[in-house]
Amino acid sequence: GQNIDQPTEMTATEGAIVQINCTYQTSGFNGLFWYQQHAGEAPTFLSYNVLDGLEEKGRFSSFLSRSKGYSYLLLKELQMKDSASYLCAVTDSNYQLIWGAGTKLIIKP
Amino acid sequence: ETGVTQTPRHLVMGMTNKKSLKCEQHLGHNAMYWYKQSAKKPLELMFVYNFKEQTENNSVPSRFSPECPNSSHLFLHLHTLQPEDSALYLCASSRGQGEADTQYFGPGTRLTVL
Repeated sequence: GQNIDQPTEMTATEGAIVQINCTYQTSGFNGLFWYQQHAGEAPTFLSYNVLDGLEEKGRFSSFLSRSKGYSYLLLKELQMKDSASYLCAVTDSNYQLIWGAGTKLIIKP
Repeated sequence: ETGVTQTPRHLVMGMTNKKSLKCEQHLGHNAMYWYKQSAKKPLELMFVYNFKEQTENNSVPSRFSPECPNSSHLFLHLHTLQPEDSALYLCASSRGQGEADTQYFGPGTRLTVL
């Protein structure tokens, strides 16, 4: 079956750096997405990786290793507003999005 | 503001009620999606419409009935629901289906079935 694994919850300190990991086993691969979802709000697009390597976008970076079925989202200079759930999703060979259950990130002052 | 709106934002209904959820996208997209989001579970894809044609129905019970009158509007008609149907229902849109396109989500309807 198809599977996306990510930690259920993580805690970090304001101003610090946190890395949220995502591993996947899917039938085919056509890219990996990261979304941010604040409580009671819509998931919003953060990043898309289809080639191996690191994509940097301001304080957020996303890394992909297709051979390892692995990605991470790196958040730097954490702010209280970064408290949210982070969803990892993989597009399979049929262009279906397979979703992880999300990682709830708690930022402490 | 993602360009996708959903109404109502909250809905409480009894098991014998009939209600409808509405989604509208202002992005000029051709594909629209209904998802169910339950606590600590992955998003569950329910239905997909591409150019107003239903292309996916992931074994969703018939008490959920989708309708897509045009590429900008999507409805989910609900009847004789069960308490386990209580969840956040999210609508999304993308340029097209069959591509690795970014999906843009609405804020969801929080549904409680009593």
